[in-house]
Amino acid sequence: GENVEQHPSTLSVQEGDSAVIKCTYSDSASNYFPWYKQELGKRPQLIIDIRSNVGEKKDQRIAVTLNKTAKHFSLHITETQPEDSAVYFCAASKTSYDKVIFGPGTSLSVIP
Amino acid sequence: DGGITQSPKYLFRKEGQNVTLSCEQNLNHDAMYWYRQDPGQGLRLIYYSQIVNDFQKGDIAEGYSVSREKKESFPLTVTSAQKNPTAFYLCASNGGPSTDTQYFGPGTRLTVL
Repeated sequence: GENVEQHPSTLSVQEGDSAVIKCTYSDSASNYFPWYKQELGKRPQLIIDIRSNVGEKKDQRIAVTLNKTAKHFSLHITETQPEDSAVYFCAASKTSYDKVIFGPGTSLSVIP
Repeated sequence: DGGITQSPKYLFRKEGQNVTLSCEQNLNHDAMYWYRQDPGQGLRLIYYSQIVNDFQKGDIAEGYSVSREKKESFPLTVTSAQKNPTAFYLCASNGGPSTDTQYFGPGTRLTVL
């Protein structure tokens, strides 16, 4: 069935360093790839997304890259800050309207 | 995402009782979704609905039921058939095929004693 894998499960970085989270998906029909940030006890919040017709998208310190041939996509956070500490989820779906399959999450800790 | 509400925030029930979780949205969104989140894990899809009076099973629908009688409401019932119902339940909505973002409600933490 459809599956999204995510690595690493935990990640610790020093403040100011970069963080990279990688995901792979199984359904080649997937065209929409959102990333969510979830702080402890709160709801997931969309931070960036990318569609299959784009290879890279950037929003300030956050960027996402997509390799549709290899079926993997990555989240890059530069100049990390303590407030970036949270759990990050990647996801994949055919469109944003269809059911969305989430990865298991990456717990990011930014050490001041 | 402030247009999606879930109530209550915390819910306690005895084993064997059915319980209904509320999800309401005033965003005029067509699609609504229910997810379950267990500690340290990702979100698993229970049910989703893309239009009123229609819904589809997600990956873990067993032991749950839903209804979609109104566009703004998508209640989830956790039945006594659900073997491990204690979890954090998140509702979400999406405006339709031409929009991108799936907005989440604040969640309901259900504890079955």
